[in-house]
Amino acid sequence: KQEVTQIPAALSVPEGENLVLNCSFTDSAIYNLQWFRQDPGKGLTSLLLIQSSQREQTSGRLNASLDKSSGRSTLYIAASQPGDSATYLCAAKSGGSYIPTFGRGTSLIVHP
Amino acid sequence: GAGVSQSPSNKVTEKGKDVELRCDPISGHTALYWYRQSLGQGLEFLIYFQGNSAPDKSGLPSDRFSAERTGGSVSTLTIQRTQQEDSAVYLCASSLAGGSGDTQYFGPGTRLTVL
Repeated sequence: KQEVTQIPAALSVPEGENLVLNCSFTDSAIYNLQWFRQDPGKGLTSLLLIQSSQREQTSGRLNASLDKSSGRSTLYIAASQPGDSATYLCAAKSGGSYIPTFGRGTSLIVHP
Repeated sequence: GAGVSQSPSNKVTEKGKDVELRCDPISGHTALYWYRQSLGQGLEFLIYFQGNSAPDKSGLPSDRFSAERTGGSVSTLTIQRTQQEDSAVYLCASSLAGGSGDTQYFGPGTRLTVL
């Protein structure tokens, strides 16, 4: 059974810092790994999806990497802004299942 | 185009009552997922619909929970005889075909409070 862990659970940084959010998974036979953002009281917004054959994906200030052999993905946020404050979740879709497994998220606060 | 919509946005009910939660997926998306998100918890998978295939109900927590998807589009999640532990945000997501390369698109959720 796939298990997904996100560390840290919460993070507070000053504006302008570059930061890394971590996601680890136990079953390396994944189809893809997806990063989401969730604002308070809202649904999830997809940020980046990395296929199992890919090593990384980039969108603007965001870069997500995938290392299946070590069971890890990282989300790198460059030059953080207060508007980046949200909860970030990762989800791994494992081989043989169309149901992704979600981590509990990292709650990020970027203060001015 | 329109995203995934859910209604109602908030629902307060008394213990023992039945509730129905609605999800309108993105037009043309054949895969539809229901999740539950409790305070401080991760997303808990409930049920998955893919086209005309039998749904994957493996995540439903009890027989008080059921879901339908009519005409391959709108889905309704029904909770019978609600309990206080059913209080949570219920999220719906859809994707084009449920495949490995698909991005899931989420609705805003329905916040259910059982008094």
